[in-house]
Amino acid sequence: DVKVTQSSRYLVKRTGEKVFLECVQDMDHENMFWYRQDPGLGLRLIYFSYDVKMKEKGDIPEGYSVSREKKERFSLILESASTNQTSMYLCASSFLSHNEQFFGPGTRLTVL
Amino acid sequence: QKEVEQDPGPLSVPEGAIVSLNCTYSNSAFQYFMWYRQYSRKGPELLMYTYSSGNKEDGRFTAQVDKSSKYISLFIRDSQPSDSATYLCAMSPGRKAAGNKLTFGGGTRVLVKP
Repeated sequence: DVKVTQSSRYLVKRTGEKVFLECVQDMDHENMFWYRQDPGLGLRLIYFSYDVKMKEKGDIPEGYSVSREKKERFSLILESASTNQTSMYLCASSFLSHNEQFFGPGTRLTVL
Repeated sequence: QKEVEQDPGPLSVPEGAIVSLNCTYSNSAFQYFMWYRQYSRKGPELLMYTYSSGNKEDGRFTAQVDKSSKYISLFIRDSQPSDSATYLCAMSPGRKAAGNKLTFGGGTRVLVKP
């Protein structure tokens, strides 16, 4: 079974704080993705990576950065959290040229 | 207009009924189609994966793709209360060398009442 884990299920941070969301997968997938999910807006791609140290912007990268130092781990960083970044954050992974993505359980982030 | 349209619901059905879900899309380049199930406060789980047009069956689930109409469907037979969830369609134009991105519908919430 594909296993994608995320560091926290629920997180509460204050405006201006630096926030790290961690994602780990155990299936040796090359691709890893970060999405946010909001009511009425659906799933939106923030960043993805297809190799260690490689990253590409998704549809809404503003206010976010990412880090991929190891194949199994992909981190999403909010440099200075803002209230409009309150959302459900989902990590996913897939094999290099495959379409099927496997998701983690999500982190519900609240920024006060 | 969104690239992938999906009725948000909720779609309420009695236990045992057939659940019928669908998505329409505008990008004729889409060739790979997926259905995900998402329970409340959980991550999406891959249910069905199809390529190009045609039908695919897996247990109580049947996925249909009609590329000429740019329309995909998911049918759930003998629905159970445990099928109550949000169902997301997703699609992709094809297999790139790396980093195939998916375009998602907004999801349809389904309630199966005992």
